[in-house]
Amino acid sequence: GAVVSQHPSRVICKSGTSVKIECRSLDFQATTMFWYRQFPKKSLMLMATSNEGSKATYEQGVEKDKFLINHASLTLSTLTVTSAHPEDSSFYICSAAGNSNQPQHFGDGTRLSIL
Amino acid sequence: GQNIDQPTEMTATEGAIVQINCTYQTSGFNGLFWYQQHAGEAPTFLSYNVLDGLEEKGRFSSFLSRSKGYSYLLLKELQMKDSASYLCAVREVVGTNAGKSTFGDGTTLTVKP
Repeated sequence: GAVVSQHPSRVICKSGTSVKIECRSLDFQATTMFWYRQFPKKSLMLMATSNEGSKATYEQGVEKDKFLINHASLTLSTLTVTSAHPEDSSFYICSAAGNSNQPQHFGDGTRLSIL
Repeated sequence: GQNIDQPTEMTATEGAIVQINCTYQTSGFNGLFWYQQHAGEAPTFLSYNVLDGLEEKGRFSSFLSRSKGYSYLLLKELQMKDSASYLCAVREVVGTNAGKSTFGDGTTLTVKP
């Protein structure tokens, strides 16, 4: 089946640090990747949709300058949380879809803790 | 936009059958997905329905009625490991956000011995 790799799985860092999270589709080309944030016992909150070679589409209320997304190739998208603060602590999950007729497949998530 | 409703919690007994319902109200529709998510882990894909009817995959089946805006996930021969959150997701019509799905809040299923 389709495999999506997300790295790192866990990050603990000081306030003010910028953190980069990578999402890779290992066995298919992902024209679209999605970045989600999930709080404990809550559902997935879509942050942005990333399309290869173009700017990401951010959901309402998500700061573009805070959460930088780069989709440089058909197999890699990155999310950078810039100058992270404790309120940015969360579970971040990426997903990828080969095309609009295929389901999204999720990475294992990144648990971000800002001290 | 999309509105997706599913029960918050359900409890069932090991070996039994449980049905998790999902209703949706959308301006467009391009498929409905069910995902399983264990605590602290990312969701895993279970099933996909785009046409009306039942899709069966082992112990899991999913049903869709587009005219009613309704789907259910049926889990048979429940096992303790089936305790998880089950997410219903509806994909928007292909367009500028091709493939973008809206997720329900999830149904937390607890399987008891």
